[in-house]
Amino acid sequence: NAGVTQTPKFQVLKTGQSMTLQCAQDMNHNSMYWYRQDPGMGLRLIYYSASEGTTDKGEVPNGYNVSRLNKREFSLRLESAAPSQTSVYFCASRGLPNQPQHFGDGTRLSIL
Amino acid sequence: AQTVTQSQPEMSVQEAETVTLSCTYDTSESDYYLFWYKQPPSRQMILVIRQEAYKQQNATENRFSVNFQKAAKSFSLKISDSQLGDAAMYFCARAGSNFGNEKLTFGTGTRLTIIP
Repeated sequence: NAGVTQTPKFQVLKTGQSMTLQCAQDMNHNSMYWYRQDPGMGLRLIYYSASEGTTDKGEVPNGYNVSRLNKREFSLRLESAAPSQTSVYFCASRGLPNQPQHFGDGTRLSIL
Repeated sequence: AQTVTQSQPEMSVQEAETVTLSCTYDTSESDYYLFWYKQPPSRQMILVIRQEAYKQQNATENRFSVNFQKAAKSFSLKISDSQLGDAAMYFCARAGSNFGNEKLTFGTGTRLTIIP
């Protein structure tokens, strides 16, 4: 029962480095999401993909890009990492509109 | 912006007692979905309970139940017979029902401590 799998689980980067966070789901879900979680701020949506081939900005998209590679995979890329992007990143997926989102275990990313 | 507000940053309850976590939200839609997620120290986001706004009956899942007041835009979570394993951050979240508006908006969370 893999569900939503995120890699890596932890990563430390230097300012200016690039990095791609990977996410894959095996539930045949149409919609996929990337969130960041910062202390005291809950989860905020970065980008989402309502279906294969489409992506849209969320609440905090600046500094990020995404790729919906296929129905299973949705990656998040930091082209030039900044300390303000230090956070815990969650990927999620969802099937039908009335169903809840299923979350991965998160990636803790630190940028020095 | 449609917001979700959790006004209690921290709560504590004695083991086996009952605790209620508060949540209010803002929306202009008539149909939407509400959720409570639990995040233990392991960092996983675990769905606790969900409520569909068009259903008047309050959702229940074992020891967890909600008090959904649509007119007041209030969605509180009641945990009965609290157990040590209930200690976690609890997030209230709202999602729209229309395609393209189904994104989750989260509150800032309530940290629940269980006192043995």
